[in-house]
Amino acid sequence: AQTVTQSQPEMSVQEAETVTLSCTYDTSESNYYLFWYKQPPSRQMILVIRQEAYKQQNATENRFSVNFQKAAKSFSLKISDSQLGDTAMYFCAFMKLLGGYQKVTFGTGTKLQVIP
Amino acid sequence: NAGVTQTPKFQVLKTGQSMTLQCAQDMNHNSMYWYRQDPGMGLRLIYYSASEGTTDKGEVPNGYNVSRLNKREFSLRLESAAPSQTSVYFCASRGISGPSYEQYFGPGTRLTVT
Repeated sequence: AQTVTQSQPEMSVQEAETVTLSCTYDTSESNYYLFWYKQPPSRQMILVIRQEAYKQQNATENRFSVNFQKAAKSFSLKISDSQLGDTAMYFCAFMKLLGGYQKVTFGTGTKLQVIP
Repeated sequence: NAGVTQTPKFQVLKTGQSMTLQCAQDMNHNSMYWYRQDPGMGLRLIYYSASEGTTDKGEVPNGYNVSRLNKREFSLRLESAAPSQTSVYFCASRGISGPSYEQYFGPGTRLTVT
């Protein structure tokens, strides 16, 4: 079974600074997807960024980028120029395809506080 | 498009009462999912439906039943609520095509069982 570990329950960062959230996973699969989801106080789960395991290039979305180390099974999220609106819970998620169904395993989350 | 909608947003039940959480999506997605979110435990899959007419157990199915009423709707039923079912419940959906493979989530239902 896959496991996803987020070892930082809480983090804080000053506004405009950069912060990195860590995520490691355990799998024997070679083809899979990794995601970072953001959950602000509104509770809505919002996709931040995705990475396909077969792609060597790290994904980027504006101020958000990942450091994907497949051999080390590591998938960290870097937030540059942190903004107050980035305050949220962040969940790392692993997904493999099982026929037409996708099994998704979530980490326990990192609570990020951006300090003005 | 409304995306994934859930009703109700909040609910308080007494132990032993029953209720149904409703979920609907307007994105023509085939797969639908029910998760529960508890502090310090991330999201755990309760049940899923890979396509209309099929349902399967996830990681924590005990105490729940589901119905995939049609392609749009996927409901979760608590037959006899217990305090251990106090949680936030999320419905999600995903289609079978597209490069992204991510799930789209509803806004959640906060359920308290006293």
